[in-house]
Amino acid sequence: DIQMTQSPASLSASLGETVSIECLASEGISNSLAWYQQKPGKSPQLLIYGASSLQDGVPSRFSGSGSGTQYSLKISGMQPEDEGVYYCQQGYKYPWTFGGGTKLELK
Amino acid sequence: EVQLVESGGGLVQPGRSLKLSCAASGFTFSNYGMAWVRQTPTKGLEWVASISTGGGNTYYRDSVKGRFTISRDNAKNTQYLQMDSLRSEDTATYYCARHPWEEVDYWGQGVMVTVSS
Repeated sequence: DIQMTQSPASLSASLGETVSIECLASEGISNSLAWYQQKPGKSPQLLIYGASSLQDGVPSRFSGSGSGTQYSLKISGMQPEDEGVYYCQQGYKYPWTFGGGTKLELK
Repeated sequence: EVQLVESGGGLVQPGRSLKLSCAASGFTFSNYGMAWVRQTPTKGLEWVASISTGGGNTYYRDSVKGRFTISRDNAKNTQYLQMDSLRSEDTATYYCARHPWEEVDYWGQGVMVTVSS
């Protein structure tokens, strides 16, 4: 199975600060990478697919980049509603696998 | 508006069976692959199974292969997860998921499955 390693496990950001979350795959996944946000008691919500494509309705402050085995999610200007847990997921091959999550809090 | 509504969860003894259902609305169900994803506080998010648009292709994680069966009824806009020989490690919140390609673009609200004696 492809292992997805996310870092950091948690971080705290100030209002307006730019935040980056990293995801490392154990083998190349050809940009088959998605990012999700999950708020307490809610289902995950898709933010980014195909490593860099923004899902409809997601604010443009969210962006994704990367290739091969290394990918990142950037939030350009932290907002209060961005608090939550973020997960990466590879869809390159079954079984799909998720990262362990990054808990993002507002400082 | 896309809606995925799960049902059928609950408390079940180890070794017994449970069948989850997911009623879909707001989109052309037969045009999309579907999946089940589960979540626990300790293991996080785990993909469980996927099914192709027509139901002819199914995929499972190793730990449920031979015990779980994913299926769909396109006439009823519903997908299912038949879970047999349940184990304590199957305890989780199970999400119904729509996947257009290699990601999940819509998730249900989740249904809790607890396997315990």
